[in-house]
Amino acid sequence: AQKVTQAQTEISVVEKEDVTLDCVYETRDTTYYLFWYKQPPSGELVFLIRRNSFDEQNEISGRYSWNFQKSTSSFNFTITASQVVDSAVYFCALSVPGYNFNKFYFGSGTKLNVKP
Amino acid sequence: NAGVTQTPKFRVLKTGQSMTLLCAQDMNHEYMYWYRQDPGMGLRLIHYSVGEGTTAKGEVPDGYNVSRLKKQNFLLGLESAAPSQTSVYFCATSGRGGTSTDTQYFGPGTRLTVL
Repeated sequence: AQKVTQAQTEISVVEKEDVTLDCVYETRDTTYYLFWYKQPPSGELVFLIRRNSFDEQNEISGRYSWNFQKSTSSFNFTITASQVVDSAVYFCALSVPGYNFNKFYFGSGTKLNVKP
Repeated sequence: NAGVTQTPKFRVLKTGQSMTLLCAQDMNHEYMYWYRQDPGMGLRLIHYSVGEGTTAKGEVPDGYNVSRLKKQNFLLGLESAAPSQTSVYFCATSGRGGTSTDTQYFGPGTRLTVL
């Protein structure tokens, strides 16, 4: 069975602090994809990153970085020097091959509050 | 290039009324999806389509119907709305599954309230 767990329901930080959002996944498939999406207060879902199961390299994009560790089945997301605009709900998702499409499994989301 | 659009953005229905939500995409993607988002439950797949003229059930299909008559459009219908269908509905699209174009891209959402 596939599952994504985001244990942190809500996190509050003060601007300029670093914050890490945790994501733990479960799957027996050897081929899979991991994603992070951002949902700002305006409501849309914005794609941030995709990672496939064969690429464990960490990735950095500006203030955002992602740490993928297959040994612990984790795909954590770190925001460095957080800003008020980072306030949003962040979803981690797992996609595995299906019969005719890759089904997505979403975590329940982590709400990040960045206070000025 | 609008990406994925949804119509309407907001709607209030009375119990028993019907309505159709429209999703349109200009990304030339084969796959389209309808999700509902409820507090604390993440996103749950209602129905999906792997190409024009095809549809299939997701996790929570009861009370909904869908149609994909054109590649670029995916319609979600509620025949007899119930308060339990109060939710935010998202449409998403992706290229062929299993390839590097697997990312799902989402529309802006439709907030539906059923009284």
